[in-house]
Amino acid sequence: EAQVTQNPRYLITVTGKKLTVTCSQNMNHEYMSWYRQDPGLGLRQIYYSMNVEVTDKGDVPEGYKVSRKEKRNFPLILESPSPNQTSLYFCASSRVLASGANVLTFGAGSRLTVL
Amino acid sequence: GQQVMQIPQYQHVQEGEDFTTYCNSSTTLSNIQWYKQRPGGHPVFLIQLVKSGEVKKQKRLTFQFGEAKKNSSLHITATQTTDVGTYFCAGLNYGGSQGNLIFGKGTKLSVKP
Repeated sequence: EAQVTQNPRYLITVTGKKLTVTCSQNMNHEYMSWYRQDPGLGLRQIYYSMNVEVTDKGDVPEGYKVSRKEKRNFPLILESPSPNQTSLYFCASSRVLASGANVLTFGAGSRLTVL
Repeated sequence: GQQVMQIPQYQHVQEGEDFTTYCNSSTTLSNIQWYKQRPGGHPVFLIQLVKSGEVKKQKRLTFQFGEAKKNSSLHITATQTTDVGTYFCAGLNYGGSQGNLIFGKGTKLSVKP
């Protein structure tokens, strides 16, 4: 089944304790992206990657890191989490077309709480 | 920066009533996509509009793209409880890459049986 898999789905952690949220897709998609969703703020892009070894900042990259060493994986790293990073996180992927737009497939989401 | 404004933020309707959500961009869009997120779920693609003035229908859902390609709407006729969720539009600027897809803040629809 074509899908985007995120882990963990739920996590409660403490301020300053490094964590990684993994994201993997099995559709051979070039494009991958991370979003955070907060009430009243919609989906805000954190980082995205157009292909292996190519990453770019989105709208809210502060406090986050990413890497794209393999096409299928795009982990989100919080080096020193803070309470304002408590949120629902979504990973998404798509093909990259010459027209510049393609359908995003989202993962199920990772709910992170930082105490 | 470029924004896609979506209104209303919330909409409460009685089952059977119609519902419309609107998206407006400050710049001309190459295309616009619509997604639906059920409560507790993740966004799921509904449709993509590319042409000026385009209208597409999916059963009770009607999607429109404005003539100037700066606005779009989603209209649901005779809402059902299964329509509950948050509807997002996402626009792409001309010349923009997939990384520049801009999401509206969404409209949360609740339907009272």
